[in-house]
Formats: sequence, C-alpha cells, structure tokens
Amino acid sequence: ETGVTQTPRHLVMGMTNKKSLKCEQHLGHNAMYWYKQSAKKPLELMFVYSLEERVENNSVPSRFSPECPNSSHLFLHLHTLQPEDSALYLCASSQGEGARLFFGSGTQLSVL
Amino acid sequence: AQTVTQSQPEMSVQEAETVTLSCTYDTSENNYYLFWYKQPPSRQMILVIRQEAYKQQNATENRFSVNFQKAAKSFSLKISDSQLGDTAMYFCAFMKLRGTYKYIFGTGTRLKVLA
Repeated sequence: ETGVTQTPRHLVMGMTNKKSLKCEQHLGHNAMYWYKQSAKKPLELMFVYSLEERVENNSVPSRFSPECPNSSHLFLHLHTLQPEDSALYLCASSQGEGARLFFGSGTQLSVL
Repeated sequence: AQTVTQSQPEMSVQEAETVTLSCTYDTSENNYYLFWYKQPPSRQMILVIRQEAYKQQNATENRFSVNFQKAAKSFSLKISDSQLGDTAMYFCAFMKLRGTYKYIFGTGTRLKVLA
C-alpha cells in the first residue's frame, strides 16, 4: 500500500457518458499527478497540481478536465471520450520537485 | 528534449539467477535524477531504486543495484537472486534536478521470473 488510493478500479463508459476518476493521498504530499498508461508507450504525463495549482498541462484534449479541491484529492472528469482514450489512468503524488512518485493502483478505463 | 530508451520489451530469468535490464537516456543536463520503478500485476507502481547523477557511487537496494555510466548515458538495473515476486514491468525514468515535475519514462521491460 503506497498511501495513494484510486477509485474506481475499472470503468466502462460509452462515448456520450460523463464520469469522474478520484484519487486521494494520505501522505501529506504537496503535488499530485495524472498519468495515462497505454500498452507499449511511455507513461504520458497529463496534469500536475502543486499546492492545488495546476503547474503542468501537457496538451491534453479538453474532454479531460482535472480538479484539485485540496492537496489530498484529485479528480479527472471525463466527457465525450473516444475509444482511443481507453487506457490505464494512474494517479501519483510527491513531496516537491525531483522527489519519488507514489502511485495508486490505477483506473482501467474502457470507452465503447 | 530528454528521452529514455528501454530496448528490451520482454525478458525472462530463472529463479535465483541474475538479470540486467538496460536503459539509456539522452539529455543535455549535467545534474538530474534517474529512477527504476516496478509495476507488478497489481498495477501499483513502486520505486525500486533512485540515482542522483552528481553522485559517482552506484545506488543499491538489497538485491537491486544499478550500473550508472554518466558519460555513456546508461543506467542499467541488476537484479540478483531473482524471486518470483520480481515478475513485473520495470520502467526507467529521468527527471531534471529542479524546475520541473515532469518525469520522462521509458516504454518498460516486462520481466518474468521462471520457477
């Protein structure tokens, strides 16, 4: 157990649905991340929040909308996704720059 | 821009033997961090080992050690006395020393430890 909890573990959604992924960290870290993991590709950084302020936004389509209401919680709101968005979405946290990442177990997303 | 290359998509090793996973990277930075992360079938990625580029000494964590060759930009992971629980995906990652939260990951090596 790394102290980072993600829900749900699996999610199947249609292209017209709206859903949200949730991440919670119990480590007192000040930075939280969303990564996308697809087969045979490097992990893709989507968003980083530091002290609840977004500091990285890597050209992610607007159908992905992050929210960080406080330093312990991070959400990824999903709407009108495409089948190519099917992937494992990983949340992570760290204490500052250059620090090791602590990951959740991910949400396996399938878009039909 | 930095890149990380893991040239071995899959590897296997007999239990109790030693295996080395390769990683090369490209950067113009002089100071940075390098990491190996392990992702078992449970999907929860955990840190295996961390190396600071300004330290000459190779990092070691129990059965895991690295061979860090800064000039060659190589950062291989050696697993000694392999155990069935080492079966996982292993990712090499790079991060600049400061000013960013952006890790650069490789594509991973799937390691299978055989009984």
